[in-house]
Amino acid sequence: QQQVKQSPQSLIVQKGGIPIINCAYENTAFDYFPWYQQFPGKGPALLIAIRPDVSEKKEGRFTISFNKSAKQFSLHIMDSQPGDSATYFCAANYISGGYNKLIFGAGTRLAVHP
Amino acid sequence: NAGVTQTPKFQVLKTGQSMTLQCAQDMNHNSMYWYRQDPGMGLRLIYYSASEGTTDKGEVPNGYNVSRLNKREFSLRLESAAPSQTSVYFCASRDRGGQPQHFGDGTRLSIL
Repeated sequence: QQQVKQSPQSLIVQKGGIPIINCAYENTAFDYFPWYQQFPGKGPALLIAIRPDVSEKKEGRFTISFNKSAKQFSLHIMDSQPGDSATYFCAANYISGGYNKLIFGAGTRLAVHP
Repeated sequence: NAGVTQTPKFQVLKTGQSMTLQCAQDMNHNSMYWYRQDPGMGLRLIYYSASEGTTDKGEVPNGYNVSRLNKREFSLRLESAAPSQTSVYFCASRDRGGQPQHFGDGTRLSIL
């Protein structure tokens, strides 16, 4: 199935909290899992990405945890700040007809309150 | 370095009108993509172009046409706009070798 299910739809945390966004997939042919961050009025921007042969990847305050057997991956934001308030999309890459394509989750709107 | 530039940023159309959304990238990328973004549905691929001179359908191509004018430019055309095409449209580009897609800032299109 060419679907990526993302939850929750929205999330509110206090400054310093650790929001967690979860994604699940069915297609084992997906080979690359990026997370995008989108601010209002802007396009999505790549935040962090992981390949399925790695269980965890950290970049600054952002961490992806990947569970290949469960077909699930999640984004954790450590010490969240009001500036992290944005919409976050998980995605999965697959190859069709020899070309790379992305399937996106529905998005999570995160609000970090001061 | 502008990256991916989309024009116009906003547009209001009447049902049945036609419109071309423009996209240009200055990163010398081979692949370009058009997505639409609707609330609660993420981004859905409309059309893509793997290289200059080639285009192919994505997940939701009905009601749209595309042209890969040259390596830099990839346009999306609505021949007869319908209210269901009210959306935010994003163009993206990508180089070879596993690099991520780079997105423009979108065109917000309303069809009355």
